[in-house]
Amino acid sequence: GEDVEQSLFLSVREGDSSVINCTYTDSSSTYLYWYKQEPGAGLQLLTYIFSNMDMKQDQRLTVLLNKKDKHLSLRIADTQTGDSAIYFCAESNNAGNMLTFGGGTRLMVKP
Amino acid sequence: GAVVSQHPSRVICKSGTSVKIECRSLDFQATTMFWYRQFPKKSLMLMATSNEGSKATYEQGVEKDKFLINHASLTLSTLTVTSAHPEDSSFYICSARDLQGNQPQHFGDGTRLSIL
Repeated sequence: GEDVEQSLFLSVREGDSSVINCTYTDSSSTYLYWYKQEPGAGLQLLTYIFSNMDMKQDQRLTVLLNKKDKHLSLRIADTQTGDSAIYFCAESNNAGNMLTFGGGTRLMVKP
Repeated sequence: GAVVSQHPSRVICKSGTSVKIECRSLDFQATTMFWYRQFPKKSLMLMATSNEGSKATYEQGVEKDKFLINHASLTLSTLTVTSAHPEDSSFYICSARDLQGNQPQHFGDGTRLSIL
């Protein structure tokens, strides 16, 4: 079945850039998402990218997609302490349909 | 836009109690809502897909008689954990998809259920 993998943990200093990586196996994935989860809260949709796009930028967030390698990354510029959270990568083969989530990457931002 | 409200945010109750969790799409209509369960420090596990006006579709291993889902309107789905036991303690999260266009799922804030 489909599989989405992420590294477990990332630590950066405030002001640095953070890059969170994700790999997936389903070649029919058409939408790829990044969600943020703060402690005790639900998931907040940060951004998503359609599979025919290579890059999407939204303020401090940049998503890069390498469809050939099935690799997705999320870059957070000028990382702030408020960015500390768990970031989930997810994919679906149709917008809004069933999501397959990665295990989440815990981002810790040190002052 | 695309706000999903989930209530209650936290429930603590005795074993054997049935607990109902509500998921509402506040500013859009959702023919499909999803229910997830999340264990500590783990990813989300899809439990079921809730379809307005029809029976929910449950994932393998999820007991439909244990986790009753009702999706009676385009803005409300409910999950009832029947006769809850300590092993049902978990974080339950719903999401909803806007019926118009190719929109992503938006999530509620989750319900932490603790069964004593």
